[in-house]
Amino acid sequence: DVKVTQSSRYLVKRTGEKVFLECVQDMDHENMFWYRQDPGLGLRLIYFSYDVKMKEKGDIPEGYSVSREKKERFSLILESASTNQTSMYLCASSRLSGRNEQFFGPGTRLTVL
Amino acid sequence: GQNIDQPTEMTATEGAIVQINCTYQTSGFNGLFWYQQHAGEAPTFLSYNVLDGLEEKGRFSSFLSRSKGYSYLLLKELQMKDSASYLCAVRDQTGANNLFFGTGTRLTVIP
Repeated sequence: DVKVTQSSRYLVKRTGEKVFLECVQDMDHENMFWYRQDPGLGLRLIYFSYDVKMKEKGDIPEGYSVSREKKERFSLILESASTNQTSMYLCASSRLSGRNEQFFGPGTRLTVL
Repeated sequence: GQNIDQPTEMTATEGAIVQINCTYQTSGFNGLFWYQQHAGEAPTFLSYNVLDGLEEKGRFSSFLSRSKGYSYLLLKELQMKDSASYLCAVRDQTGANNLFFGTGTRLTVIP
């Protein structure tokens, strides 16, 4: 059974803290993605990666960075959390070619106080 | 850029049929996906269309017309567990083949 896991389901942080969100997939997928999901706005792509140590900006990268040191792991970093980064964060992975539908993790609900 | 439009909410009766529409504008269309997302859970893949026509998978079918920039998801014999959000997503080859999501349609199935 394919699986994408995220390090936390719920997280509460304070403004200015550095926040790490971890994502691991066990499907040997090349592609990995980080989205945030907000009511009325849908899923918006923050960053994605097609290979180890490779990263590309999505639609809303400001205030975020990522790291992909191993194929199975993709980390999202909030250098200095702000209240407008309170959101649901979803990680996904997919194959590089073919239909390459994305498989999603369960999500991390982050609250920044 | 990309523009994807789908209704915000729909309500349907258990046992009935419901059609959820999605219209899109994109410069490099390369496939359309439908995902189901129950409240508080991850989206799960439902269907994929890249050529015109109907794809059927059990109670769920998805239709695509590339010339009209239009797709629909058809759910038959509705069950209470079908209450969820349904996300339309378009893959755009000018956008590194990434997916661009609509805001989702929240479907409520009533007895």
